[in-house]
Amino acid sequence: EVQLVESGGGLVQPGGSLRLSCAAPGFTVSSNYMSWVRQAPGKGLEWVSVVYGGGSTNYADSVKGRFTISRDNSKDTLNLQMNSLRTEDTAVYYCVRARNKVAPFDYWGQGTLVTVSS
Amino acid sequence: DIQMTQSPSSLSASVGDTVTITCRASQSISRYLNWYQQKPGKAPKLLIYAASSLQSGVPSRFSGSGSGTDFTLTISSLQPEDFATYYCQQSDSTPYTFGQGTKLESK
Repeated sequence: EVQLVESGGGLVQPGGSLRLSCAAPGFTVSSNYMSWVRQAPGKGLEWVSVVYGGGSTNYADSVKGRFTISRDNSKDTLNLQMNSLRTEDTAVYYCVRARNKVAPFDYWGQGTLVTVSS
Repeated sequence: DIQMTQSPSSLSASVGDTVTITCRASQSISRYLNWYQQKPGKAPKLLIYAASSLQSGVPSRFSGSGSGTDFTLTISSLQPEDFATYYCQQSDSTPYTFGQGTKLESK
């Protein structure tokens, strides 16, 4: 059973930084296409970033240049480094898995809340 | 970017009803269309992938159809646990985009 467990959320001031992590016990992060998807309070779902099986990455325009997705293959963890945070980045961030580039998000973590506020 | 438009935004129905939600893509996405169900305070759950394939463990009252730009999710014989918000999502290309959601409420 695939399990994804996010951590690292919290309250941060505008302009600050935060690093999210996603542990994936039981499966190999590097063999999957791992994304972050976020959901602002009371709003819909927004894809944020992906790291492909081969290691290349892609980002939503709204976070490009501020967020960096990475993975630690030795620990089977996915990370999201978030810099220059804005109030509009406030959301629950979900770690999600897809089997390949066009596959659906078939496994989701429970989410971690990031609040950007002064 | 591919825009996904769902309709309706909200829907009232009763247990036993059959409901249909539609999703339209701004350009052809072949059959790379997925449907998710989300309940309050929970992560979304995959229901249908590749337009019409039922995810393992999902009841057969859920079905999907369509290709190209127009897709539908049908829930037959609504059960109490089906009242939730539903999202479509295209996985044809990045940025992967979602519809704005359809909130299915009990009448």
